[in-house]
Amino acid sequence: QKEVEQDPGPLSVPEGAIVSLNCTYSNSAFQYFMWYRQYSRKGPELLMYTYSSGNKEDGRFTAQVDKSSKYISLFIRDSQPSDSATYLCAMSAFRSRNYGQNFVFGPGTRLSVLP
Amino acid sequence: DSGVTQTPKHLITATGQRVTLRCSPRSGDLSVYWYQQSLDQGLQFLIQYYNGEERAKGNILERFSAQQFPDLHSELNLSSLELGDSALYFCASSVGSIDTEAFFGQGTRLTVV
Repeated sequence: QKEVEQDPGPLSVPEGAIVSLNCTYSNSAFQYFMWYRQYSRKGPELLMYTYSSGNKEDGRFTAQVDKSSKYISLFIRDSQPSDSATYLCAMSAFRSRNYGQNFVFGPGTRLSVLP
Repeated sequence: DSGVTQTPKHLITATGQRVTLRCSPRSGDLSVYWYQQSLDQGLQFLIQYYNGEERAKGNILERFSAQQFPDLHSELNLSSLELGDSALYFCASSVGSIDTEAFFGQGTRLTVV
């Protein structure tokens, strides 16, 4: 079983739709949860991050974390063609400053928003 | 533009050879992370350097090594290359050693033939 699982898609939705992207994980030590967006032939860019359980909203994007279920979600409201990209979830456990950071990424979900 | 610069953008080399990938972090960032992205493995963390010192190690092969120089740029050395090493190699940087926000470069696409 992989440490982080993500529905690979591809996912196609019409413009304006609400998109739900999800990841599950197995390591209960994960405390930091991030969503990255990666356009074709580009590096990933950070969309949002949350610490521990709860919701966080930023414009059309909402991130949810349910640590009890080991499940995180990213919702995109009023999706636009420019949202077409691969979305990667990433997680890390708390580490002291002496031990650095180890991000574990999901395999990504490819999203296409059709005009 | 994330401010992280990677060179070269593309690299084609033969099996058994050695290559060096270079990364310049964003101004002010002390941490550099290296990742490998392939179609079947996704984005895999390789190694992190913070202010010149190795801080975290992921699934980095013994044939691979990295270092961070006093000017904070970093190099990833890949040796005895195999066909399976063909992938996108990304560098990311962050200010501290345990930041949640890391900025990625555009990647180096390595093709081993």
